[in-house]
Amino acid sequence: AQTVTQSQPEMSVQEAETVTLSCTYDTSESDYYLFWYKQPPSRQMILVIRQEAYKQQNATENRFSVNFQKAAKSFSLKISDSQLGDAAMYFCAYSGNTPLVFGKGTRLSVIA
Amino acid sequence: NAGVTQTPKFQVLKTGQSMTLQCAQDMNHEYMSWYRQDPGMGLRLIHYSVGAGITDQGEVPNGYNVSRSTTEDFPLRLLSAAPSQTSVYFCASSTRRQARDEQFFGPGTRLTVL
Repeated sequence: AQTVTQSQPEMSVQEAETVTLSCTYDTSESDYYLFWYKQPPSRQMILVIRQEAYKQQNATENRFSVNFQKAAKSFSLKISDSQLGDAAMYFCAYSGNTPLVFGKGTRLSVIA
Repeated sequence: NAGVTQTPKFQVLKTGQSMTLQCAQDMNHEYMSWYRQDPGMGLRLIHYSVGAGITDQGEVPNGYNVSRSTTEDFPLRLLSAAPSQTSVYFCASSTRRQARDEQFFGPGTRLTVL
């Protein structure tokens, strides 16, 4: 079974600085997708970014980018120019031939 | 479009009571799923459906039943509530079967079982 590991339960970053959230996964599949979801205090789950495993180019969405290392099975999220509104739980997720599997999450605090 | 809606938003049950969490989507999505979120555990899949009339178990299905009679609705039934089912429940939907597309989540239901 696929597993997703987020080794940082909590992280903090100063406003306007850059932070990287870590995620590793375990799979024997060659075709899969990886996601980062954000959950602010409102509890709503929001898709931040998506990466197709067959694409070597790292996905980017404005201030959010990923470092996808397929051989190492690593999928980290970089948030640049952090803003107060980035404070949230962040979940890494995997989807292959099975339904979406989530990591346990990283709580990100942004310090003004 | 309303997206994915869930009712109720909050619920308190006594041990042994039954109830149904409602989930509906108006995006004509084939794939729907239920997750529970517990502190420090992330989101864990309870049941999912790849289309009307088809359901399957996820990681933590015990104590829950589902059915999918229409494309729009995917209710989750607790037959005899237990304190271990205290959690936040999310319903989600997406366009394709294996959830390779973005999943759209409902606002969640916070359930407390006393």
